[in-house]
Formats: sequence, structure tokens, C-alpha cells
Amino acid sequence: EVQLVESGGGLIQPGGSLRLSCAASGFTVSSNYMSWVRQAPGKGLEWVSIIYSGGSTYYADSVKGRFTISRDNSKNTLYLQMNSLRAEDTAVYYCARMTTVTTETNWFDPWGQGTLVTVSS
Amino acid sequence: SYVLTQPPSVSVAPGQTARITCGGNNIGSKSVHWYQQKPGQAPVLVVYDDNDRPSGIPERFSGSNSGNTATLTISRVEAGDEADYYCQVWDSSSDHHYVFGTGTKVTVL
Repeated sequence: EVQLVESGGGLIQPGGSLRLSCAASGFTVSSNYMSWVRQAPGKGLEWVSIIYSGGSTYYADSVKGRFTISRDNSKNTLYLQMNSLRAEDTAVYYCARMTTVTTETNWFDPWGQGTLVTVSS
Repeated sequence: SYVLTQPPSVSVAPGQTARITCGGNNIGSKSVHWYQQKPGQAPVLVVYDDNDRPSGIPERFSGSNSGNTATLTISRVEAGDEADYYCQVWDSSSDHHYVFGTGTKVTVL
């Protein structure tokens, strides 16, 4: 069974750092496109970052330069290192595997259960 | 950046048909995917590549995409379909960015 389990969320002060983890089972993280998507309280979904199977990484403008996506192939785990956190980064963070047909045709499935990050003093 | 606009809410009686629109510039040229999110849960894919359904998703869920509007149609609506729904595309005009619609709350009367 394909499963994603996030961890690492919590309460952090503005300007602080946090690393989220997403442990995968039932498939190989390094062979897939993997993404992070977040959802602020009461708001919609916002794509955050992607790491392609080849290792290329991309970020939403709102987090570029502050967040870093990576993976540990030996642990079959995806990470999101978040630095210089701001109040507006408060959200539930989901990891998701992407199914890819072409560069233009790819979707998020499945999703993890999410981990809550709260940035507040 | 590319913008996807959805109506904030749609109300429908049980057994009727709900149609959720997703508007974007020339969205008909893109591949559109739809997600269902129930309160306190992670999103679930219900339609991919405009009009295909993942295994386990009822045939009542279908999609279409043409011109500037994509549509998710839920036929014979059930109480369990009450949820938020989001459309999603890949934004070819940005640096490998993925875009979600604003979301639509479907209420079953």
C-alpha cells in the first residue's frame, strides 16, 4: 500500500527554522516527483515545492530562498527545511507523490495526512 | 502567474447534479485535475487529466474542459459528497509551478 506520513510540525517563533519529514512506503521516493503543498487555516491549497526524480528542485515565489526540499534515498524520506519562518507560513503542510504523464500533465496522488506548522511568538 | 477561479460555494439537493467550474485563460489547452477535501482530512484526487477517474472514485464524478472553463460534474449527489473541491493545473508560464483553484464548498441541502 502506498502511504505518506509527515512529521516535524509544531510551534515555532518568527525567524526560526523547522524541518518537516515525509516517510514513504509502498514506492520509491527517488523514482518519483514529490511535492509539498500547504494550507493556511481556513484557506485554500498552495503549492510550495517540488523535487523531480532527476533531482531538480523548484519553489513557489513565496518560499524561494527560505525553504529547501530534499530527499534521503536510504530512508525513502522527503524533507522540507524551512528557514526564516514568518507568521504567513502558518499552515498544514502536506507531502504528495506526483503521477506524471508528461511535463504538462501531472497530478498529486496520494497525499499524506499533513503536519501543522504554527509560526507565532 | 496563472490564476484559476472557482465559485466559493455550490448548493445542491440530494440526487441532483452539482457542477463546479474552474476558470482560467485558455484552460482548455491544459490538463486539469480535481481534488476533494473533507473537513480535517487530506485532499483526495477525484478526476485527473480533464476527465479520467482514479480507481475507487464513483462514476458519478466526471470532468470536462474547453475554452476558458473546466467543469467537475457530480451526478446523483449524495450527502457524503459534501466537501471542498479544488482544480489544479501546471503553469507553463512560470518556473515549473503548480496552481490550485480558489476552491468551492459543495453543500448538500
